[in-house]
Amino acid sequence: EVQLLESGGGLVQPGGSLRLSCAASGFTFSSYAMSWVRQAPGKGLEWVSAISGSGGSTYYADSVKGRFTISRDNSKNTLYLQMNSLRAEDTAVYYCAKVFSVTVTTDAFDIWGQGTMVTVSS
Amino acid sequence: DIQMTQSPSSLSASVGDRVTITCQASQDISNYLNWYQQKPGKAPKLLIYDASNLETGVPSRFSGSGSGTDFTFTISSLQPEDIATYYCQQYDNLPITFGGGTKVEIK
Repeated sequence: EVQLLESGGGLVQPGGSLRLSCAASGFTFSSYAMSWVRQAPGKGLEWVSAISGSGGSTYYADSVKGRFTISRDNSKNTLYLQMNSLRAEDTAVYYCAKVFSVTVTTDAFDIWGQGTMVTVSS
Repeated sequence: DIQMTQSPSSLSASVGDRVTITCQASQDISNYLNWYQQKPGKAPKLLIYDASNLETGVPSRFSGSGSGTDFTFTISSLQPEDIATYYCQQYDNLPITFGGGTKVEIK
C-alpha cells in the first residue's frame, strides 16, 4: 500500500525551529518529486515547497523562502522540512504529498500523508 | 503568481441534486488543473486531474471540464458522503496555487 506518514510537529516558540519528517512506503520514492502543503486552522490549502526526485532541485513559496529547507534521503525513503525562524503565521497542519507522475516536479498530488500539526506560540 | 478564484465559497443542496463549482485562473493554465475533496480532519483526496480525468477509484458522478482560464467541477447526483470542501489547484506555474475552497452541505 502506498503510504506517507508525517512526524515532528508540535508546539514551538516564535523564532524557534522544527524539523518535519515524512516516511514513504509502497512506491519507488526516488522516482517522484514531493511537496509540502500546509493548512492553517480553518483556512485553505497553501503549497509550501517542492523537491525533485533526485533532490537536486528545490522550490519554495515566497512566504517561507530563506527560512524553510526541504530535503530528502532516498536511501531512507524519507522527506524532510527544516523550519527555522518560525512565526505565528506558520501555525498549520503540514502535509507531505507525492506527485502523480514520474519525472515531473509539479503535477497533481495523488497521495497525501495524514498531516502533522505545527503550532507557533509563546 | 497565478490566482485561482473558486465559486461559490459554500453551497447547500439536496441529495440527488446536480452540484457545480467553478474555478477561474488569472491567466491561461491550459489543462493543468486538479480538483480535490477534503473531509473534516482528513487530508485532501485527488478526484480529477488535468481538468477532466477521473482518478482511479473515484465515483463517476464526479466530473471536470474546461481549459485555459475557466474550469467546472460537477457532482451529477449529490450523495450524503460527498459532504466536504472541494479545492481546485493549478500546477502550470510555480508557486502551485489552490482555490479558496467550496464547502458543500446537505440541505
